[in-house]
Parts: sequence; structure tokens; C-alpha cells
Amino acid sequence: KQEVTQIPAALSVPEGENLVLNCSFTDSAIYNLQWFRQDPGKGLTSLLLIQSSQREQTSGRLNASLDKSSGRSTLYIAASQPGDSATYLCAVEDTGGFKTIFGAGTRLFVKA
Amino acid sequence: GAVVSQHPSRVICKSGTSVKIECRSLDFQATTMFWYRQFPKQSLMLMATSNEGSKATYEQGVEKDKFLINHASLTLSTLTVTSAHPEDSSFYICSARNWPPTTREADTQYFGPGTRLTVL
Repeated sequence: KQEVTQIPAALSVPEGENLVLNCSFTDSAIYNLQWFRQDPGKGLTSLLLIQSSQREQTSGRLNASLDKSSGRSTLYIAASQPGDSATYLCAVEDTGGFKTIFGAGTRLFVKA
Repeated sequence: GAVVSQHPSRVICKSGTSVKIECRSLDFQATTMFWYRQFPKQSLMLMATSNEGSKATYEQGVEKDKFLINHASLTLSTLTVTSAHPEDSSFYICSARNWPPTTREADTQYFGPGTRLTVL
């Protein structure tokens, strides 16, 4: 059974700092991995999608990497801003049936 | 990108009533749709998978008679919470996927904005 773990559970950083969010999964047979942002009381915003054959994806200040063999992904946020404050969710889609399993999330607070 | 809508976005109902939530794929056909539930300060938990024209597959611990799912067309799935109780209050999110995908970028699930259900 696939399990997704995110570390840390919460993170508070000063504005401008570069930071790394970690995600690990137990079953390497994934179809893809996706990072989402969720603001309080809101839905999901897709940030980056990494297919299983890819190693990383970049969008603006965000970079996500995937090491399928070790069951790990990282989300790198450069030059953090207060507007980046949100919960970041890692989710893996499996190969048989496309079930998506979410991690518990990392709550990020960027102080101005 | 592909768009998935949910209706209503917010609903308040009395205990014992039934509530229907709609999930629509607006610009693509969704052969498979998923329903998730999210309790406050928790992550999303998959409730069920529905394929167009067939019965939904429920995750362990999810009551299929309480959470009725219908995927009658390639663009619409509905979740009906029957005889709702306060413990059913939650944020319900659907996602939709098309298979096979038309492009590599479309080879993923697209999530709706969610429906917040409050049962009094």
C-alpha cells in the first residue's frame, strides 16, 4: 500500500530565504508525482507535475525533483515571499488505476 | 489547461437530509473521476474511483450506501451524501482524468475547486 510522507510538517522562514520541502513514498511504481499548493479553506493549485520518466520540473521560483528509485521528491522554493505562505501537498499517482495518494502536507509560513 | 468544476461550492444542510455534489469536466472527457474528502487540517483521502458507465470502486472504510456515486456521462459525476450527519461535514474534492491522454501534459488528473459541506 502506497504511503506518502512529507517533512517537515510545518516550516516558518524569513522572507527571501531559499527552502526545500521533502516528500517520500514507499512504492516506487508510480505514474507521476505532483506538487500542489492549498490556501486555507480553498482547493488545490497544481504547481508542478513530474512524470515517472522525468527527473525534474521547473516553474519560475519553483523546482521539483524526482528520484523514483529512492522514493523521494523535493520541492525547492527560491527567494521565498510572504505570498508563498500556504500548505504544500505532495501526491503520487499509481500505475494501476491512477489512484492518487496525498501526503499530509507541509504548512509554510514566510515572514515579512 | 483542463478545467473541472464542482457545484455547489458550499452547502449547509440539516441532519438527516441528502446532499448532491456535481463534478464536471468542462473541456475534456473524463473516463475516470475520483472523489476525495478532506477534514480540517488534514490531507485529502481518496473515497472512491468511478469509471464512466460502471459502478464506483470504494476505498476501505467508505460506506457505499452512504456516499452514492454516479458517473453517468463522460463529463459528469455526482456524489450524494445520504442521510447526512454532522460528522459528514467536510471538504469534498473531485478530480477527473482522461485516458488515453491527448497530450503528455494532459496525462494527469485535474482537480475541482471543492465543495464545503456543513451538516447542522
